[in-house]
Amino acid sequence: DAGITQSPRHKVTETGTPVTLRCHQTENHRYMYWYRQDPGHGLRLIHYSYGVKDTDKGEVSDGYSVSRSKTEDFLLTLESATSSQTSVYFCAISLIGTSGDYNEQFFGPGTRLTVL
Amino acid sequence: KNQVEQSPQSLIILEGKNCTLQCNYTVSPFSNLRWYKQDTGRGPVSLTIMTFSENTKSNGRYTATLDADTKQSSLHITASQLSDSASYICVVSGGNDMRFGAGTRLTVKP
Repeated sequence: DAGITQSPRHKVTETGTPVTLRCHQTENHRYMYWYRQDPGHGLRLIHYSYGVKDTDKGEVSDGYSVSRSKTEDFLLTLESATSSQTSVYFCAISLIGTSGDYNEQFFGPGTRLTVL
Repeated sequence: KNQVEQSPQSLIILEGKNCTLQCNYTVSPFSNLRWYKQDTGRGPVSLTIMTFSENTKSNGRYTATLDADTKQSSLHITASQLSDSASYICVVSGGNDMRFGAGTRLTVKP
């Protein structure tokens, strides 16, 4: 998985509790992304980062926040988890941004989150 | 609205047979189109990438084609193997937008 780890790999939590997912890369790629994957939907972008402390919202950012204090780590936080946030979350990295011609993204193994 | 539609949703074939997966998109402007393979419980892995000027790209038994005029792409798998069982995802980029299809779930049976 291209030097990308995600933790935890599985988590079950209750509605209303805060949850933080971690993505760690050893590739020194500038761009990092958080996606969610749900049945019947393509991967949807939650937030992305284009450098340390530089982040921006994606298509489905409501209810999520992110932080990037180091090049290698990108954290996704659900401030107060809801059942609609039950999903599989993927982190991805890339050398160049979305607008580049060969903007290949490399994905982590995913985190399966269940909110009861 | 930028969208990517894949068909069929699922497909079952016998080992050794060929198959073709389809991807139609409305993303504009267009920059590139990629096909990813996603094994169960794993993250997607890139198979091919094509820009506007490329209309075919191969990676072993996988061959992708692109018709930028009709905004269609296909992924052809030759002599399928059990290990080809996976979801195949079409991803289209344009400007600052990147859209993922919902994927085709391929099952190869012995």
